[in-house]
Amino acid sequence: DIVMTQSPDSLAVSLGERATINCKSSQGVFHSSSNKNHLTWYQQKPGQPPKLLIYWASTRESGVPDRFSGSGSGTDFTLTISSLQAEDVAVYYCQQYYTTPYTFGQGTKLEIK
Amino acid sequence: QVQLQQSGPGLVKPSQTLSLTCAISGDSVSSNSAAWHWIRQSPSRGLEWLGRTYYMSKWYNDYAVSVKSRITINPDTSKNQFSLQLNSVTPEDTAVYYCAREWNRQLQYWGQGTLVTVSS
Repeated sequence: DIVMTQSPDSLAVSLGERATINCKSSQGVFHSSSNKNHLTWYQQKPGQPPKLLIYWASTRESGVPDRFSGSGSGTDFTLTISSLQAEDVAVYYCQQYYTTPYTFGQGTKLEIK
Repeated sequence: QVQLQQSGPGLVKPSQTLSLTCAISGDSVSSNSAAWHWIRQSPSRGLEWLGRTYYMSKWYNDYAVSVKSRITINPDTSKNQFSLQLNSVTPEDTAVYYCAREWNRQLQYWGQGTLVTVSS
């Protein structure tokens, strides 16, 4: 199985400041047939299912604010929130869909400083 | 707009079978471009993918090795839904269970989640 490791486990950022979450996969998730990185970022708020934010490592889902961006390739990926808003408080997960079993990172809890 | 509505009991006794259903609206379980997943979440195991079913000229299933001997995911085309059965449950199977639709490789739509507690 591909192991997904996120850092940090928790993060406190001031409103309006940048938040950066990292995700590392135990093997590359770039698929040559699609020429894409098979990596997704989710946001999860209490009592809700995960919400798709970013797919193909850097493509923003429709309706997701442009302060959210994804980057990286191969085994190392980053989710960046350029200017933290109060509604961004949540747990964020990365997930690979390069191969089954699909696997998730352990989550990063983002709070307001 | 795709919607997934989960149903099933929230309490299951040890050694019995966990059964959940995910009713689909806005898409077809027989779609050639979608796959239908079950995922669970617990404090100890985090988000854990359990398996999927999909139709591509015939029905296919993929299951996580950790539950492969105990799990069945079945489509029900007459009701446009799919189900999860997990046999011989233990307290370690206590979790919030989610169904989800995969389209273009993305788990874009999720059910509301069902907390299933395994306890006598």
